[in-house]
Amino acid sequence: AQSVTQPDIHITVSEGASLELRCNYSYGATPYLFWYVQSPGQGLQLLLKYFSGDTLVQGIKGFEAEFKRSQSSFNLRKPSVHWSDAAEYFCAVGALYGQNFVFGPGTRLSVLP
Amino acid sequence: DTAVSQTPKYLVTQMGNDKSIKCEQNLGHDTMYWYKQDSKKFLKIMFSYNNKELIINETVPNRFSPKSPDKAHLNLHINSLELGDSAVYFCASSQGGTGRYEQYFGPGTRLTVT
Repeated sequence: AQSVTQPDIHITVSEGASLELRCNYSYGATPYLFWYVQSPGQGLQLLLKYFSGDTLVQGIKGFEAEFKRSQSSFNLRKPSVHWSDAAEYFCAVGALYGQNFVFGPGTRLSVLP
Repeated sequence: DTAVSQTPKYLVTQMGNDKSIKCEQNLGHDTMYWYKQDSKKFLKIMFSYNNKELIINETVPNRFSPKSPDKAHLNLHINSLELGDSAVYFCASSQGGTGRYEQYFGPGTRLTVT
């Protein structure tokens, strides 16, 4: 079965600064990788996903993520953070076979004005 | 149009009561899920249904019973509510039942048991 870790529980950045949220996964085959965002009091919204092909994936709201097989990582980045990006971010990994879809523990992003 | 909807959004009840949460998706998806999110934001899958058939039933108390009257609806019934059941419950749906399909989430139901 696959697993996901997000090493940073809480990150604080200033508005306009760049952002990188870390995600590491464990899975024996090529995984399907996802990033979701959860704004306060809301459900989860899909930011982007990686299935195959180009390892740099573009998503909504100006986010991108890079799949690095050698590091088992799928880090989320944004060049300039906006105050509205303050939220909880979840990395998830899906398996090709079976019904497993595992979420990481989440990283809370705070944005300073 | 809301893709995945849940009712109610808030549910406050006393220990020992029985309550239900309803979920509907209008995406035409085959698979629906229930997740529990605890106070630390950790998401735990509870159940998954594919075309009205139960395919995932994680270790949850049998006080929790999902019901899928058709593939667009997945309801969650909880008997004899306990304090530890307080959490946010999310319904989700996906095109297929394997991990290659992204899941679409409802807005959540915040359950408070007093």
